[in-house]
Order: sequence, then structure tokens, then C-alpha cells
Amino acid sequence: AQSVTQPDIHITVSEGASLELRCNYSYGATPYLFWYVQSPGQGLQLLLKYFSGDTLVQGIKGFEAEFKRSQSSFNLRKPSVHWSDAAEYFCAVVKSNFGNEKLTFGTGTRLTIIP
Amino acid sequence: DAGITQSPRHKVTETGTPVTLRCHQTENHRYMYWYRQDPGHGLRLIHYSYGVKDTDKGEVSDGYSVSRSKTEDFLLTLESATSSQTSVYFCAISGTQGFYEQYFGPGTRLTVT
Repeated sequence: AQSVTQPDIHITVSEGASLELRCNYSYGATPYLFWYVQSPGQGLQLLLKYFSGDTLVQGIKGFEAEFKRSQSSFNLRKPSVHWSDAAEYFCAVVKSNFGNEKLTFGTGTRLTIIP
Repeated sequence: DAGITQSPRHKVTETGTPVTLRCHQTENHRYMYWYRQDPGHGLRLIHYSYGVKDTDKGEVSDGYSVSRSKTEDFLLTLESATSSQTSVYFCAISGTQGFYEQYFGPGTRLTVT
């Protein structure tokens, strides 16, 4: 069964520092991968997605993610975080077969930004 | 932002009472979903719909039922609420790509006392 692991429950970074949030998936074929962000009290917003092609994908708000098949990873990065990036981040996966697809979410990583 | 609203946004109810949550979309999207969000579990799919009157179960469907009589509305019903159903419930929609690129509503916080 497909699954998504976000090994870091909580990460704290200083404003202006770089950020990397980890996501690992388990699935034999090429998955469709997503990162969502959830600000406090809000719904989830799609940051970026990977379906195929270039393994480095750009998203909104200055985020990017790199798909690494050899490591089964899809880590989210940002070169310089802003206080407004404080939120919870979810990685999600859909297998690429047709029929009975399900979007499976990781348990999330909460990001705290310190001045 | 996708045109998705959820009502009510907050609800407190007692164990054993029925509860219905509503999701309304203005995007004319085919697919609609109900998730619950709990600490340490991320989001888990309860039920989804792939068209009017077409629904199917997700991974945590026990104790929940859904209905979709119009494209724009997807209702989630807890027939007899239990404390384990205290959660934040999110509705999501997606277009022709099925489970891809889902867009989420603002959520409903439900407390069962």
C-alpha cells in the first residue's frame, strides 16, 4: 500500500534561514506527489505538485521540491523563510494507475519561525 | 481561491445526536471529498463523490454517511455522533483529474460532548 512519511513533526527555523522539509513515500511505480500548506484555522492550500518530467518543481510562495526516485523522497525547500511561512505542511501522494486512486497524506510537519 | 464553503464552521453537539455538515461549491467540479483531520493522523478520507448520486467509501467511513443530490452540494451525516468523531472536517473538490489537485474548504470544527 502506498504511504507517505514526514519524519519531522516540528521544525523551528530563524527568519531568513533556509528550509527543507522531508517527505518519503513508499510505492513501486512513479507516484503523483503534492505539498500542501495549512495556516492556523485555515484549509489546505496546494503549494506544488509533481506528475512527471523535470524532477525539480516550482510552486507558489517561493517554494520548490525535488523528486528523487532513488531515495523515494520529495523534499520541500525554500531558500529564505519569512515569518508568514509559519504553518503546517503536508506531503501527499496519489499512485499513477487509473482507477481507485486515493490521495494519501502524511501526518504533517509544523513549522515555527523565530525572529 | 476555489469557491468552496462549509457550514456550519463550528458545532458542538451531544453524543447520540445526528449531525449534518454541508459542503457547497461554485466550481462545477465533478469530484467532492470529505476528510477528517486529527493530530498525529494528518487528513483521512471519509467518503467521496464522483458525480451526482455517485459516492464511495474512504478509509474511515464507519459511522458516516454522505449524499449528493446536486453537483454543488455534498452532505456528510453523522447518524449518531460519538466523542471519537470530534474532529475538524474538511471538504475538498477536484475537476477532471479525479483525485489530483484537490482544493479544500475552510473546515468545520465539530465537538461531540
